[in-house]
Amino acid sequence: AAGVIQSPRHLIKEKRETATLKCYPIPRHDTVYWYQQGPGQDPQFLISFYEKMQSDKGSIPDRFSAQQFSDYHSELNMSSLELGDSALYFCASSPRPWDSSNEQFFGPGTRLTVL
Amino acid sequence: DQQVKQNSPSLSVQEGRISILNCDYTNSMFDYFLWYKKYPAEGPTFLISISSIKDKNEDGRFTVFLNKSAKHLSLHIVPSQPGDSAVYFCAASYVDRGSTLGRLYFGRGTQLTVWP
Repeated sequence: AAGVIQSPRHLIKEKRETATLKCYPIPRHDTVYWYQQGPGQDPQFLISFYEKMQSDKGSIPDRFSAQQFSDYHSELNMSSLELGDSALYFCASSPRPWDSSNEQFFGPGTRLTVL
Repeated sequence: DQQVKQNSPSLSVQEGRISILNCDYTNSMFDYFLWYKKYPAEGPTFLISISSIKDKNEDGRFTVFLNKSAKHLSLHIVPSQPGDSAVYFCAASYVDRGSTLGRLYFGRGTQLTVWP
């Protein structure tokens, strides 16, 4: 079965550079969530999109922006990178965001390292 | 502000025995709880869930118990197998159409090791 695809899997950037992470949801899933997991931390919700519109916003820095495109894939853009941005970034998709029985399907994650 | 807490970072169990992973939460608006399993270099994989209107849900070797009054849930794995060795995340959600739309709140995870 098709799963959530994230690219790249690994990314190394210098401080103050820009990074773009991509997420391709499971076909027919119209909702995408982004989570950030720092070392030894729990995954923290960043932002979500439903039908190409931002549906919820969590602890996402102003330096980050995201969007969902017409084919439902999503991109997380991160500018002025800081050392503290080094983390694992997960994307998840879901077919039913309005239902709290909302099983989210996660991608393998992108490991971002900022030097 | 950690709304979902897993106070045991690790658990070691012998193969064939029961594994019990615990989770506490503070937000009484949560109405759905999920357990995810994570292997290294992979994303979390959904394991089992429970609605707040139930107190037990069973799926094969996995059972989740919910005690709403104590704001506590637990995952039981019986019998435990070496392949169950992974990090287990407890997560919770609720839908508030004015703001949240099913975002998950995670605990920090418990590393389960099942030894032969």
